[in-house]
Amino acid sequence: DAMVIQNPRYQVTQFGKPVTLSCSQTLNHNVMYWYQQKSSQAPKLLFHYYDKDFNNEADTPDNFQSRRPNTSFCFLDIRSPGLGDAAMYLCATSRDGGYNTDTQYFGPGTRLTVL
Amino acid sequence: AQTVTQSQPEMSVQEAETVTLSCTYDTSESDYYLFWYKQPPSRQMILVIRQEAYKQQNATENRFSVNFQKAAKSFSLKISDSQLGDAAMYFCAYRSSNTGNQFYFGTGTSLTVIP
Repeated sequence: DAMVIQNPRYQVTQFGKPVTLSCSQTLNHNVMYWYQQKSSQAPKLLFHYYDKDFNNEADTPDNFQSRRPNTSFCFLDIRSPGLGDAAMYLCATSRDGGYNTDTQYFGPGTRLTVL
Repeated sequence: AQTVTQSQPEMSVQEAETVTLSCTYDTSESDYYLFWYKQPPSRQMILVIRQEAYKQQNATENRFSVNFQKAAKSFSLKISDSQLGDAAMYFCAYRSSNTGNQFYFGTGTSLTVIP
């Protein structure tokens, strides 16, 4: 089945130790998103890719970076995780980021714990 | 940026009864899309229903329907014949048809279904 896959589902890292979260999709969607979701809060958009074009939200800290080596994969790199970065990280895709009605399809998320 | 407001942090409903979740949004645009997403505990966020602003007819998906009031900028979700599996966090989301690929989420409503 076509889907959005996130690995790992649970990630534990140490304060200040770089960590990479992975997202892949078999939907062949051209837009991929990364959200941060803290407990009982709405997902907060960090950035998204429209094909290879990277779009960063203005309030996303520099500590967060992303890579999209190809259509299928997108990575979230946290260069120096702080305790405040502990959250669920959601990856989502959409088919065409332009002028069409477009639904986002979410992955199951990666829960990040920072010790 | 557009804002999406969900004024009910928590709601409860008796099994088999009907419940309505509220959502209002602020925009100066005339063309946009609205969504309701469901996020069960520790599970993936999935689309429940979506509405194109240019359509006057309210969207319906089985037991889920919306009451879209464009002038009032209101987009409520009605769940009929509530089931235990409907228990989840529900997020209302807005997407512009003209500017960018961002989805704007409300803060969510936690729905409890009472057996």
